Amino acid sequence: SQTIHQWPATLVQPVGSPLSLECTVEGTSNPNLYWYRQAAGRGLQLLFYSIGIDQISSEVPQNLSASRPQDRQFILSSKKLLLSDSGFYLCAWSLPQVPGGTLHFGNGTRLTVT
Amino acid sequence: RKEVEQDPGPFNVPEGATVAFNCTYSNSASQSFFWYRQDCRKEPKLLMSVYSSGNEDGRFTAQLNRASQYISLLIRDSKLSDSATYLCVVNMGRGSTLGRLYFGRGTQLTVWP
Repeated sequence: SQTIHQWPATLVQPVGSPLSLECTVEGTSNPNLYWYRQAAGRGLQLLFYSIGIDQISSEVPQNLSASRPQDRQFILSSKKLLLSDSGFYLCAWSLPQVPGGTLHFGNGTRLTVT
Repeated sequence: RKEVEQDPGPFNVPEGATVAFNCTYSNSASQSFFWYRQDCRKEPKLLMSVYSSGNEDGRFTAQLNRASQYISLLIRDSKLSDSATYLCVVNMGRGSTLGRLYFGRGTQLTVWP
């Protein structure tokens, strides 16, 4: 069966510090991978999605970046965090053969930028 | 206009009530539609897909109206455990852009005894 691991679960970082959130998927090959952010009182915002290694689409201009160095690894990074980067970050995967298929989410990372 | 819009609620209903949520989407070329459920401070989980012909899963019924670009979710005989935020999700991808799933802000439901 497929599983998704996302870490860390919570993170408190000062403004201007770097960020690295990691997500790995097991039990499937070539999944679609996603990073979403949910700010307090707001809906889920699609940040990045990837249909393959080094194939990443960015949905919103911001100081975040994503990388997919391996088939089942997806990393969200920032060189300098802003206060507005605080939120609940969710990694997700879906099967590549099914257009717009079911999203399976990790447990999320709750980031607080101070 | 946002890609996916929902009434945020909150909807507060007694146990046993029937409640309906609506969602509108902006892209007429959208291909697939879903309802997700999110419990407080947890990740969203798929509740059901929405098909053109409408579909039912126990107490839950989903409908799609492509002409009007809206989706609905009907919950019958509400249970306390139905209390959650319900997220409308639309795939705006075209062709090979399989990954463009957009979430509404969610509709909050509280079922009281």
